[in-house]
Amino acid sequence: AAGVIQSPRHLIKEKRETATLKCYPIPRHDTVYWYQQGPGQDPQFLISFYEKMQSDKGSIPDRFSAQQFSDYHSELNMSSLELGDSALYFCASSGPGLAGVREQFFGPGTRLTVL
Amino acid sequence: AQTVTQSQPEMSVQEAETVTLSCTYDTSESDYYLFWYKQPPSRQMILVIRQEAYKQQNATENRFSVNFQKAAKSFSLKISDSQLGDAAMYFCAYRSFGGGADGLTFGKGTHLIIQP
Repeated sequence: AAGVIQSPRHLIKEKRETATLKCYPIPRHDTVYWYQQGPGQDPQFLISFYEKMQSDKGSIPDRFSAQQFSDYHSELNMSSLELGDSALYFCASSGPGLAGVREQFFGPGTRLTVL
Repeated sequence: AQTVTQSQPEMSVQEAETVTLSCTYDTSESDYYLFWYKQPPSRQMILVIRQEAYKQQNATENRFSVNFQKAAKSFSLKISDSQLGDAAMYFCAYRSFGGGADGLTFGKGTHLIIQP
């Protein structure tokens, strides 16, 4: 079965640079979520999009922005990168499923290292 | 805001034995979903089991089952016949019932070690 695709899988940036992470949801999924997981931490919810509109917002820094495109893929843009932004960034997707649970299926993550 | 607490940073169990991971949560909502996710060394997040709060029956998925105590706001995961492949971080997560596009709130995780 098709899974969530994230690219790139690994990314190395310098401080103050910009990074763009991409997420391709499972086919027919209409909702995308972004999470940040620091070393030894639990995943922290950043932002979600439903049908290309921002739906829920978590602890996303003002330096970050995201959007969902007409083909439902999503991009997370991160500017003025800081050392503390080094983390594993997960994208998850969900679609209308049984009982309306909307289980979230996670991608493999993008490991961002800021030097 | 909802909070999820996992009080066991690490648990160890012998292969083939049973282990229970604890999770408590705090919410003022009456309907919601609870999940257990597994994160092996590959760091992939894998859904293990889910529970709808409006269902009294505890969810079961093969060797994995939950003990859901709504009044106590407790949601423990029982793993029977533990296998080496069960070794991973286990995260308990909460989501509002009506918030289909809402983010999950995770606990800090429990590192499960399987002793051969």
